[in-house]
Amino acid sequence: GAGVSQTPSNKVTEKGKYVELRCDPISGHTALYWYRQSLGQGPEFLIYFQGTGAADDSGLPNDRFFAVRPEGSVSTLKIQRTERGDSAVYLCASSLNRGQRSDTQYFGPGTRLTVL
Amino acid sequence: AQSVTQLGSHVSVSEGALVLLRCNYSSSVPPYLFWYVQYPNQGLQLLLKYTSAATLVKGINGFEAEFKKSETSFHLTKPSAHMSDAAEYFCAVRHNAGNMLTFGGGTRLMVKP
Repeated sequence: GAGVSQTPSNKVTEKGKYVELRCDPISGHTALYWYRQSLGQGPEFLIYFQGTGAADDSGLPNDRFFAVRPEGSVSTLKIQRTERGDSAVYLCASSLNRGQRSDTQYFGPGTRLTVL
Repeated sequence: AQSVTQLGSHVSVSEGALVLLRCNYSSSVPPYLFWYVQYPNQGLQLLLKYTSAATLVKGINGFEAEFKKSETSFHLTKPSAHMSDAAEYFCAVRHNAGNMLTFGGGTRLMVKP
């Protein structure tokens, strides 16, 4: 079946601009996660949705970052007033979230954001 | 708080040699541990996971990992490396109080012919 998809695959923007990154999870997965992976590092957690609500947004670095999931499926990560330090690969993952800690997170290919 | 440490940011082996990628965890509760592989320009793919059912976990592509509580380790091994194993490998721990994963810094595996 179809995996997690993310669009665009690459995004180049200028400092100060606004960007939106989209994630389409696996059908039926109620949990959705956003991570950020800087060059040479492991992914870092940003935010987690259970259904339509953000269950944990403790990883968002500041108030320039915001994410929504209005219908409990597709999610959009929004970054305002982008800075060069925001350049990274943004990864989305989804899981069935049956309440089990062994639940597997399935990752998308990521969006590479470059802020000039 | 849970965390993982991967010793060795780069590991180089010859084709056919043993692969050993190290992961040590820190957790105040029984951990749930995962190994993911990332090929260039691709997302992370699950290799295997430890969920307390068995200490020796077998995964895809011939990889396996052994959970050792006394050593707080979850090292990844493969008896014989293939050229196609060249990739970045990440160890991760599932948080007890949340659903997010905390990843190690990753180990880049290089396989020499």
